Amino acid sequence: DADVTQTPRNRITKTGKRIMLECSQTKGHDRMYWYRQDPGLGLRLIYYSFDVKDINKGEISDGYSVSRQAQAKFSLSLESAIPNQTALYFCATSDFTGGRIDNEQFFGPGTRLTVL
Amino acid sequence: GQSLEQPSEVTAVEGAIVQINCTYQTSGFYGLSWYQQHDGGAPTFLSYNGLDGLEETGRFSSFLSRSDSYGYLLLQELQMKDSASYFCAVPHSSASKIIFGSGTRLSIRP
Repeated sequence: DADVTQTPRNRITKTGKRIMLECSQTKGHDRMYWYRQDPGLGLRLIYYSFDVKDINKGEISDGYSVSRQAQAKFSLSLESAIPNQTALYFCATSDFTGGRIDNEQFFGPGTRLTVL
Repeated sequence: GQSLEQPSEVTAVEGAIVQINCTYQTSGFYGLSWYQQHDGGAPTFLSYNGLDGLEETGRFSSFLSRSDSYGYLLLQELQMKDSASYFCAVPHSSASKIIFGSGTRLSIRP
């Protein structure tokens, strides 16, 4: 079974709709991240969370919100989807071993979102 | 702020060697990572350099020069399956997250 899973894998929606993307992990990691990928722009961080009570904005958080329901679950919501939010969305996790700088993240398979 | 620069595309021949460069600007430096991403797939971790020098893992090697704010990924004995995008990444100065470069698309010709 995959360590990091995302649902749905593909979604087509209309402008103005509310969308939720879900991420679950079995790696036991505390840190979870949501990224957006657009062609030629690499991965851009939307939100990240270090534990259930710790949520932080990334570089492109406008128009998005998140919920960390449990250590293993981190959801991304688009309250009112717009066409320029069409992109590939990745969830990732990482471990933290007391002072060591994170240098490896584990990614889910991605969700391809199209907003018409 | 922090930024990374890497070429957008590189083309090489099967069986050859290719080097993908990455230069970075950071306020505080903790190391340079490389990730591979095949079309339609998720990024996967390849290597990490925390200190200057060369790290070798099979056909892949990664190099870091902190004084030059520069690193590279070296792929040897190229195979068609190495066709993918390669991203360099650095931890943010707060050490709380990772900043990714825009990626280098490697195309391999037979």
